[in-house]
Amino acid sequence: DTEVTQTPKHLVMGMTNKKSLKCEQHMGHRAMYWYKQKAKKPPELMFVYSYEKLSINESVPSRFSPECPNSSLLNLHLHALQPEDSALYLCASSPGGFTGGKGTEAFFGQGTRLTVV
Amino acid sequence: RKEVEQDPGPFNVPEGATVAFNCTYSNSASQSFFWYRQDCRKEPKLLMSVYSSGNEDGRFTAQLNRASQYISLLIRDSKLSDSATYLCVVNSGYSTLTFGKGTMLLVSP
Repeated sequence: DTEVTQTPKHLVMGMTNKKSLKCEQHMGHRAMYWYKQKAKKPPELMFVYSYEKLSINESVPSRFSPECPNSSLLNLHLHALQPEDSALYLCASSPGGFTGGKGTEAFFGQGTRLTVV
Repeated sequence: RKEVEQDPGPFNVPEGATVAFNCTYSNSASQSFFWYRQDCRKEPKLLMSVYSSGNEDGRFTAQLNRASQYISLLIRDSKLSDSATYLCVVNSGYSTLTFGKGTMLLVSP
């Protein structure tokens, strides 16, 4: 089972709202990621958690706040977003942690399509 | 130089054709390599990992040339269902995947 589950699938929020995106995997994977993808562009890395610790923050604005409550869950808290933040937000996980080689292939959830109005 | 470069296409081929995609990467320390497939408005799905010796999975063959920093994907006997965007992905360590911009494939009847 290579399933990563994301909720909600679609989200419309106002610029003053606070919302959260959720991601769950039960594959025992050690690394979890948030990516942002705009139309006709490749996914852009936002955050990496390795062994439940934030390992990489790709200079993401503070209106995006990640949280890893345990090894299976990853949240992305959203506050005061801008219309340009509208995109597909993808969660992914991979078996390995901070190493290269095998175990670093990532499995993606179906994504949350976010629209900020 | 971009980290991972791909021809954006689109590649328009008839059913049954053989098509090849190429990808180059700039970081010589890169350690693992993948091809993903992404359908319109869907998530990327892992198609194949790419190993130095080359590997094959049914109609798909992937090859890696570390000396030239070059990765390829060959699709034989194309099906309509192969129409998608193919993303070349490189892991340079630290669990960071770098994506190419993708190559669009359109297979027609």
